[in-house]
Amino acid sequence: DAKTTQPPSMDCAEGRAANLPCNHSTISGNEYVYWYRQIHSQGPQYIIHGLKNNETNEMASLIITEDRKSSTLILPHATLRDTAVYYCIVRGPQGGSEKLVFGKGMKLTVNP
Amino acid sequence: GAVVSQHPSRVICKSGTSVKIECRSLDFQATTMFWYRQFPKQSLMLMATSNEGSKATYEQGVEKDKFLINHASLTLSTLTVTSAHPEDSSFYICSARDFAGTGFSPLHFGNGTRLTVT
Repeated sequence: DAKTTQPPSMDCAEGRAANLPCNHSTISGNEYVYWYRQIHSQGPQYIIHGLKNNETNEMASLIITEDRKSSTLILPHATLRDTAVYYCIVRGPQGGSEKLVFGKGMKLTVNP
Repeated sequence: GAVVSQHPSRVICKSGTSVKIECRSLDFQATTMFWYRQFPKQSLMLMATSNEGSKATYEQGVEKDKFLINHASLTLSTLTVTSAHPEDSSFYICSARDFAGTGFSPLHFGNGTRLTVT
């Protein structure tokens, strides 16, 4: 079973920051938080991942709370092409827990 | 980097026939690949973990004799849907992790194969 909960959907205006929340209250000490997105009829695209420090790359920023029970993915300037289903996934290291288990995700719609 | 290629992207077959789907890691080696299935308006469901040089590990409820997985090299895994039926029509997606990466390196996904069984 997925270890995360996300709202089912969210709307965002084009050009604005999109803040996507995720709860993972049962996360273990050695588990990372990963974010993927899936645009219709394509394979999931990796966005970012982190353990406890905030992370930033060319696509997004990941803010993880100090207790690691929740996180927020930030798309700083959302575009129409960011419309997709976003998945927040908790995953451990190798040895059986390496696989990614997808939950229902959250549909982000970026409106013009 | 980290490109995973799936072939074919779409396939239509008749009921009772078998279909093979290929998953290749183009610029890295992958000792482990994962196969997922996605029905319309649903999330991805993990079917099996494909290990290079050994037998695949199937998730509960997935028939290993129906979904044959072969991972003969560090860059290629194949999924064969045997005796396909219309209920096997789905979007099949593979993923892989760079062998040279750490256990926390992200998995990278192919673009999926849309299987339609008539």
